[in-house]
Amino acid sequence: GAGVSQSPSNKVTEKGKDVELRCDPISGHTALYWYRQSLGQGLEFLIYFQGNSAPDKSGLPSDRFSAERTGGSVSTLTIQRTQQEDSAVYLCASRRGALYNSPLHFGNGTRLTVT
Amino acid sequence: KQEVTQIPAALSVPEGENLVLNCSFTDSAIYNLQWFRQDPGKGLTSLLLIQSSQREQTSGRLNASLDKSSGRSTLYIAASQPGDSATYLCAVTMTDSWGKLQFGAGTQVVVTP
Repeated sequence: GAGVSQSPSNKVTEKGKDVELRCDPISGHTALYWYRQSLGQGLEFLIYFQGNSAPDKSGLPSDRFSAERTGGSVSTLTIQRTQQEDSAVYLCASRRGALYNSPLHFGNGTRLTVT
Repeated sequence: KQEVTQIPAALSVPEGENLVLNCSFTDSAIYNLQWFRQDPGKGLTSLLLIQSSQREQTSGRLNASLDKSSGRSTLYIAASQPGDSATYLCAVTMTDSWGKLQFGAGTQVVVTP
């Protein structure tokens, strides 16, 4: 596609429910990142996928968070038993290959509100 | 641990003035530094990427400089326009971080007509 696509754009859920956030990276981009942006905070790294390598999960805040990437393309971020502190904008980004000197392209994010 | 700081947190200038945005980082072992723009309710748009071996990059009215040894980068926007109003973020890629970007908190810019 033309850019990184994320769905849904907005999600309101009740505390304790599970949510799934989806990211479609730019076609051909093998590197995919998830970041979280909380109100008034900077971007917080969550997880990184590069090709078939084991993902870097070092940024996931708790074991309620998990992510997978199927077929090296679409990625899903799952948050189980959501808490109010999970409310944030979840941003997905992709990059062409492992070329760290290629720019990162971001989607418009999913705004998650936990009530 | 790398820390990325952007000062000021907010800036307001009249249209036509040049903008100067600052970014500093504590660990000089970076692969590159990237400047992004974020409009309200949107994702980030990449503006400029400077490799660690470069001193500056230019694109139109934008110019970014990098002084790796002193841990600083500056984004200059010439002849600002109301459409330049946005939040500007800088991010560094560490050499040992598998391509993860470490972001500053951003500078919110308002250009008044």
